[in-house]
Amino acid sequence: KAGVTQTPRYLIKTRGQQVTLSCSPISGHRSVSWYQQTPGQGLQFLFEYFSETQRNKGNFPGRFSGRQFSNSRSEMNVSTLELGDSALYLCASSYPTSGRSDTQYFGPGTRLTVL
Amino acid sequence: AQKVTQAQTEISVVEKEDVTLDCVYETRDTTYYLFWYKQPPSGELVFLIRRNSFDEQNEISGRYSWNFQKSTSSFNFTITASQVVDSAVYFCALSADDNYGQNFVFGPGTRLSVLP
Repeated sequence: KAGVTQTPRYLIKTRGQQVTLSCSPISGHRSVSWYQQTPGQGLQFLFEYFSETQRNKGNFPGRFSGRQFSNSRSEMNVSTLELGDSALYLCASSYPTSGRSDTQYFGPGTRLTVL
Repeated sequence: AQKVTQAQTEISVVEKEDVTLDCVYETRDTTYYLFWYKQPPSGELVFLIRRNSFDEQNEISGRYSWNFQKSTSSFNFTITASQVVDSAVYFCALSADDNYGQNFVFGPGTRLSVLP
């Protein structure tokens, strides 16, 4: 099976712009989670989608949003970019059973740089 | 609230040495899951192991072994006879639900450097 894919791999934007990142989960996986990784804050949970519905959300401002399509592919959007949004954004997919027990498989990430 | 602590920020060992990475967690849930992931320089998190809170048996997989002790809320990871390819950042993670759904809480990671 192909792994989790994320596009683009690298992105450079300027402050105030918006950005959309894409994630294709492993075939058959229906849950997609997004994480932000920075040197200062480490790995932080953004949100999780299952069957096109946001099921859980981390503590991030409303500028961060996402959605999931019927084929389980997910997109994450950040509006009005700030310098502090520069990070590696990781997507993970899982085949949900009870939720908390599922192993998450991660993609290679999108490295976003905000200038 | 859930929390994962990895007190060792960086560890350096010489090839073939054994090394143990510590992980201490906090949760009020009685059912939870613990994970270890490896992040090589490429950036992709690689799944290593999952353990549920009801299974305290130690596990061995090749050169890797894990020691889960609920009494001390620890889930430590040992690499035996380390190799240069083991150099990476290792993350311990806790999965617990405040609400329904997934919410992984990661530790800050331990950077392991294995020197030839």
